[in-house]
Amino acid sequence: GQQLNQSPQSMFIQEGEDVSMNCTSSSIFNTWLWYKQDPGEGPVLLIALYKAGELTSNGRLTAQFGITRKDSFLNISASIPSDVGIYFCAGVNAGKSTFGDGTTLTVKP
Amino acid sequence: DSGVTQTPKHLITATGQRVTLRCSPRSGDLSVYWYQQSLDQGLQFLIQYYNGEERAKGNILERFSAQQFPDLHSELNLSSLELGDSALYFCASSVAGTGLEQYFGPGTRLTVT
Repeated sequence: GQQLNQSPQSMFIQEGEDVSMNCTSSSIFNTWLWYKQDPGEGPVLLIALYKAGELTSNGRLTAQFGITRKDSFLNISASIPSDVGIYFCAGVNAGKSTFGDGTTLTVKP
Repeated sequence: DSGVTQTPKHLITATGQRVTLRCSPRSGDLSVYWYQQSLDQGLQFLIQYYNGEERAKGNILERFSAQQFPDLHSELNLSSLELGDSALYFCASSVAGTGLEQYFGPGTRLTVT
């Protein structure tokens, strides 16, 4: 089956720093999605990418759909304490979403 | 609040038992998705329904089944429960059946003892 490799697994950063995380796959996806999950809650959609090469921003978040359609990147600029949580990438094909294992982000004030 | 509701929030049961998890999608959403999230694993897609019909199937065990009713709410049935079935079970919904822009519920935490 399709699998996603998400890295890094965890990050410990200082408030104000920029963050980068990525997902790679051996399979092509038609859509890439990025979610954030806070403790005890369901994931919340942050950014959706629909075309190869697409670069989309949502506030301090910027995500890119890789040109090969096999990878995606998420950047968070000027991190703040409320950015803490688990970030998941997901590749979508024919209605099926394949999720990465998540990147746990800790922001130290 | 995503608009997706799930009940119950917590469930504790014994091995071998059967449970039913319930999900009500956002108003207007026709598609419902079920996911399993274990401690040491990410989100595993189980199954998707669109307007009452099964649309896509993931890694769903034969002991598990689901359905979507005419009022669009969905139920996930888990039977012959094993310790390894302990996990968070999420329901998500979307307007279309394409798998895009899914809105997740708060989840049901199942503990099998």
